[in-house]
Amino acid sequence: GAGVSQSPRYKVTKRGQDVALRCDPISGHVSLYWYRQALGQGPEFLTYFNYEAQQDKSGLPNDRFSAERPEGSISTLTIQRTEQRDSAMYRCASSLDGGGSSNEQFFGPGTRLTVL
Amino acid sequence: GQSLEQPSEVTAVEGAIVQINCTYQTSGFYGLSWYQQHDGGAPTFLSYNALDGLEETGRFSSFLSRSDSYGYLLLQELQMKDSASYFCAPAGAGAGSYQLTFGKGTKLSVIP
Repeated sequence: GAGVSQSPRYKVTKRGQDVALRCDPISGHVSLYWYRQALGQGPEFLTYFNYEAQQDKSGLPNDRFSAERPEGSISTLTIQRTEQRDSAMYRCASSLDGGGSSNEQFFGPGTRLTVL
Repeated sequence: GQSLEQPSEVTAVEGAIVQINCTYQTSGFYGLSWYQQHDGGAPTFLSYNALDGLEETGRFSSFLSRSDSYGYLLLQELQMKDSASYFCAPAGAGAGSYQLTFGKGTKLSVIP
């Protein structure tokens, strides 16, 4: 596919379980971002990768959240010991480079996480 | 601190022109992006202004005044499919130009 893909599209889990959310960016895109979006709100920045390097993780809410992009392509966002407040849409985006002339980020369809 | 203000809702008639204003205050600033998001869909990029002035892309135009920390999105010849949420997103709140700050957005309803 030509766009950003994410899996799973929906994830229901029980409180206390760990979840791993996957993002497959557009081929050749150097930069990858993770966002969290609550209903009726805009995306909230979580973390940013440039190739495999995590350049900024200032938006991760706490140490239960982590992300990796080991080979500079696919990325995984992991939430440990999930809590009900973690329920949200998690979106991934990619761009050719960080910033750049247009600063255009391409968003994926998101993973809807529900913690029971 | 950081702040971002845009109207929560706007209603306009098909074929009309609508302007969505955005004022921002961020710790760092590289430029202002606009994104469109339909209900149930992903945000999609509309425009980016790094310099003061007007950028035109088809029916959509975006304006930036860095000295006033102000921008707007202008939508002309409104169509029903333009009904969506529109987000202004200043770039640069973090360590680099990549970090976008989104607010709650403006929900635009286009009526016949």
